[in-house]
Amino acid sequence: EPEVTQTPSHQVTQMGQEVILRCVPISNHLYFYWYRQILGQKVEFLVSFYNNEISEKSEIFDDQFSVERPDGSNFTLKIRSTKLEDSAMYFCALGTQRVYNEQFFGPGTRLTVL
Amino acid sequence: AQKVTQAQTEISVVEKEDVTLDCVYETRDTTYYLFWYKQPPSGELVFLIRRNSFDEQNEISGRYSWNFQKSTSSFNFTITASQVVDSAVYFCALRSDRGSTLGRLYFGRGTQLTVWP
Repeated sequence: EPEVTQTPSHQVTQMGQEVILRCVPISNHLYFYWYRQILGQKVEFLVSFYNNEISEKSEIFDDQFSVERPDGSNFTLKIRSTKLEDSAMYFCALGTQRVYNEQFFGPGTRLTVL
Repeated sequence: AQKVTQAQTEISVVEKEDVTLDCVYETRDTTYYLFWYKQPPSGELVFLIRRNSFDEQNEISGRYSWNFQKSTSSFNFTITASQVVDSAVYFCALRSDRGSTLGRLYFGRGTQLTVWP
């Protein structure tokens, strides 16, 4: 099972501030995903990323969100101007192959917007 | 449209009881994949199993077993002789590649399982 860490584990920010959430895979992966889980609710897909570009994004992933792999290793999710409703747990997930693509999730970053 | 329904919001059992978590899915695809994930109180999502639509064999792994029935679009999860450590939220998820290039997962709302000593 691939290993992945996420930093920070908890982020508290003021509404309107920018936040960057980081996903650090331990080994090489090709397929990256971000999901979020609002407290007590189901896990929702945000975006998938392959070969240094977005493959698919959901209706949640609006212009406030962006993703990139700035150094070929870390995979980041940026929220430009946070809103109260962005408070959630954000999970990075990794896949190693296109077919039979189990997605292994990181431990998550809990984002709290005040 | 892809959809996963977990009708049981919460289940409570006493240790050593068997418990079944229900999952019903909807998809128009003939090829799809079903998953179960466990979310313990610590919050991480732990992969438990993947099932391909073309493989209807049921699977057993220790105290865990899964019953996949295409005729009823169900992928139920049974824990035998439950233990307190099984207490968690369990999510069923569907992956279907229709209109999706990298197979996003569609999750159900989860079932909170509490096992009392």
